[in-house]
Amino acid sequence: NAGVTQTPKFRILKIGQSMTLQCTQDMNHNYMYWYRQDPGMGLKLIYYSVGAGITDKGEVPNGYNVSRSTTEDFPLRLELAAPSQTSVYFCASSDPQRRGEAFFGQGTRLTVV
Amino acid sequence: GNSVTQMEGPVTLSEEAFLTINCTYTATGYPSLFWYVQYPGEGLQLLLKATKADDKGSNKGFEATYRKETTSFHLEKGSVQVSDSAVYFCALTQRGAGGTSYGKLTFGQGTILTVHP
Repeated sequence: NAGVTQTPKFRILKIGQSMTLQCTQDMNHNYMYWYRQDPGMGLKLIYYSVGAGITDKGEVPNGYNVSRSTTEDFPLRLELAAPSQTSVYFCASSDPQRRGEAFFGQGTRLTVV
Repeated sequence: GNSVTQMEGPVTLSEEAFLTINCTYTATGYPSLFWYVQYPGEGLQLLLKATKADDKGSNKGFEATYRKETTSFHLEKGSVQVSDSAVYFCALTQRGAGGTSYGKLTFGQGTILTVHP
């Protein structure tokens, strides 16, 4: 059982570069989320999706974009990396019938220098 | 808006000690409440949940009771083990009409627990 898989696990970006964080889940969950975790700050919601083709902004969407072409995949795009985007990023998914019971990936540690 | 406040950490205990991590929340309506745990180098895992007032969630010896009158959901364990060392997050999701919360979670800042032998 793979659950939620994120790649890469670690990445260093230079200011202004772009990258895509990949996320895939094999539980057929309709709901998927991207959170960022900053030290001592808990997790903040970046974007979420309630199904293929449907996405919406969370609490901290600036500087990010997402797409959801399939139920399984929910990539997060950083277009112009900034030091403020240095963080640990978590992808998660959940079943609409069990709201709040999220399954998380192992995270991507991103450093922007 | 919704918010979750956890007790300041880190918390350091000896094995077999009693654990309490305080959590209070602010939310409209009737949220569902959760505790998540993050072991070193891993993602978050659901530890326990409660969906209505006076519900008690429990798992792996941990317990928390949904107290609407004090808007609290404190985590307790009677005897901690070294393997309980982790970061613990209190969280809530709104149970909006028609499911409009979409399971979005609001997290506390996390409490680091270290248990020594």
